[in-house]
Parts: sequence; structure tokens; C-alpha cells
Amino acid sequence: ELKVEQNPLFLSMQEGKNYTIYCNYSTTSDRLYWYRQDPGKSLESLFVLLSNGAVKQEGRLMASLDTKARLSTLHITAAVHDLSATYFCAVDFITLTFGKGTMLLVSP
Amino acid sequence: DAGVIQSPRHEVTEMGQEVTLRCKPISGHDYLFWYRQTMMRGLELLIYFNNNVPIDDSGMPEDRFSAKMPNASFSTLKIQPSEPRDSAVYFCASSLLAAAPQSRETQYFGPGTRLLVL
Repeated sequence: ELKVEQNPLFLSMQEGKNYTIYCNYSTTSDRLYWYRQDPGKSLESLFVLLSNGAVKQEGRLMASLDTKARLSTLHITAAVHDLSATYFCAVDFITLTFGKGTMLLVSP
Repeated sequence: DAGVIQSPRHEVTEMGQEVTLRCKPISGHDYLFWYRQTMMRGLELLIYFNNNVPIDDSGMPEDRFSAKMPNASFSTLKIQPSEPRDSAVYFCASSLLAAAPQSRETQYFGPGTRLLVL
């Protein structure tokens, strides 16, 4: 059974700070997704990482994938309040398996 | 494209009643997924279809749940009879098969149906 673990599950940070969310998974896969969910809203796709060493950046978010370590990271640079949301990683192995999500709260 | 469309957006019903959730995937997508999200269990895949055919329904909690996809533009998830523990947000998502086997492009999620069973 594929297991996807995110940590931390809750992250409170100040604006302007940097932090990294980690996503570990238990089975070989070369496709990993990051989604964002605002409270009461649907899931919005952020990144699709397709191969070992893949790195993608959008604004203050940067995602990377290390398939050998079965690890993906989502790095937040100089956080702003608008980044407050829950972030999910999901691994594609036949179907998508989601982590439990990291609830990010950015405060002034 | 309007994205994945789900209806109703909110549903409140009483225990024992039948509930039908509806989904219209993005035009041209050949995969359709039904998920359930709760605080306790997170996001769970219930069932998915490829070209209107159910491929894996192992996530369907029990026989009270059923799903159909009569054509490429419509799917339903039915709960009969409903129970309070079915209260959750139900998401429909669709995607397009990528070139690589057993892989798909990004799944696009609908707005969800918030179900409350009293």
C-alpha cells in the first residue's frame, strides 16, 4: 500500500520568513503533484513534477522531486499572507494518493 | 472551458434518504474520479472511470454507495440510504491520459458537494 506522509501538518509562520514542507512516499513513482486548497474551496493544481531532479517554481513557491529518496519538497520564500492555505502532495501510482495536507498560516 | 462542474454544491438530508451527486468533467478528459474529504480521513479516492468504464471501485465504502458514468460528460454518485457518517465534501475530478502508461496529466477538481446527513 502506497503511503504518503507530509510534515509538518500545521505550520504557522511570519510574513517574510522561509520554510519547507516535506512529502515522503513509500513506493517508487516518478510523478508527484502539489495542490493548494483554500478553506471551503476546491483543490487547485500548483505543480506537476515528472522526473528525478525536477524543480518548478511559481512566485514564492518552489517544488522539487528526488525519486531516489522518495521525497518532494515545497519551499516557501518570503511568505506572504496570501499563501495561507492547506497544501497537499499527491503521488501517482495507478491512482493519486494524497498526503494529509499541511495547513499553512502566515501572519504579519 | 468551465472546468469540472458539480451539483448540488450543498446538500442537507435526513438519515435514510437517497442522495445523488452529479458531475460534468472537462470536455475531452477521459478519466473521472470521485473523492471524499473529511477531517478525520483526509482525501479518499472512492472510484474512478476511464472512458466511462469503472476501473477501480475499491474505495467505495460499502454497498450503499454506487457510481455511474452513462456518457463522457456526466457521472453520478449515489448514496442510498444515507447515514450521518457519510457527511463530507465529495469532489469530482477529471484528467487526460498522458503518453506514459499508468500515468495521467494533472487531475482537475470540481468545486465539491458539501453533504450533511442529519
